[in-house]
Amino acid sequence: DSGVTQTPKHLITATGQRVTLRCSPRSGDLSVYWYQQSLDQGLQFLIQYYNGEERAKGNILERFSAQQFPDLHSELNLSSLELGDSALYFCASSVRDPGGGYTFGSGTRLTVV
Amino acid sequence: GQSLEQPSEVTAVEGAIVQINCTYQTSGFYGLSWYQQHDGGAPTFLSYNALDGLEETGRFSSFLSRSDSYGYLLLQELQMKDSASYFCAAEMDSSYKLIFGSGTRLLVRP
Repeated sequence: DSGVTQTPKHLITATGQRVTLRCSPRSGDLSVYWYQQSLDQGLQFLIQYYNGEERAKGNILERFSAQQFPDLHSELNLSSLELGDSALYFCASSVRDPGGGYTFGSGTRLTVV
Repeated sequence: GQSLEQPSEVTAVEGAIVQINCTYQTSGFYGLSWYQQHDGGAPTFLSYNALDGLEETGRFSSFLSRSDSYGYLLLQELQMKDSASYFCAAEMDSSYKLIFGSGTRLLVRP
């Protein structure tokens, strides 16, 4: 157990639908990052939150949105889902010190049918 | 733009040494990290270099040359369990967000 909790582990939904992925960071970590990993691909940075505020944005589609709540858990909302959105979505957290690295959750595997 | 290049695949024999290279082109640069990911698993942090030179952690070492925009991960005494994908990731600004390379799949053969 890395300390970063992601739910659900698996999600199967139809095109056009909306889903919410949840992430609880490791205790004490203020930064939360969301990444998308398509089959046999690298990790694409989506968005970062730090202590409740958006800190950095990557190539996140307009159909996707995220937020971080006062208890520091974060949610990634994906709407108007398309087949190409099928991927592994990872959440990671870190302290404000790059030398310690990110701690990743086990991911949510999203399948859009 | 921002990009990191690494070989797509490397094969080595158990007990050998393998080096995985990473070159980067970024608008800013703070440091280079390495992550290991087994199939279906989460990436796990291996090492971080902010300064030029070699960092050693057990069987794994990582090197950075800022002037050459280049780094590598060195794995020694390879074990079968080292078969995995390895990603280099660049930290490009003070937000600490990481931009990942496309990954190198390492296959360790008996």
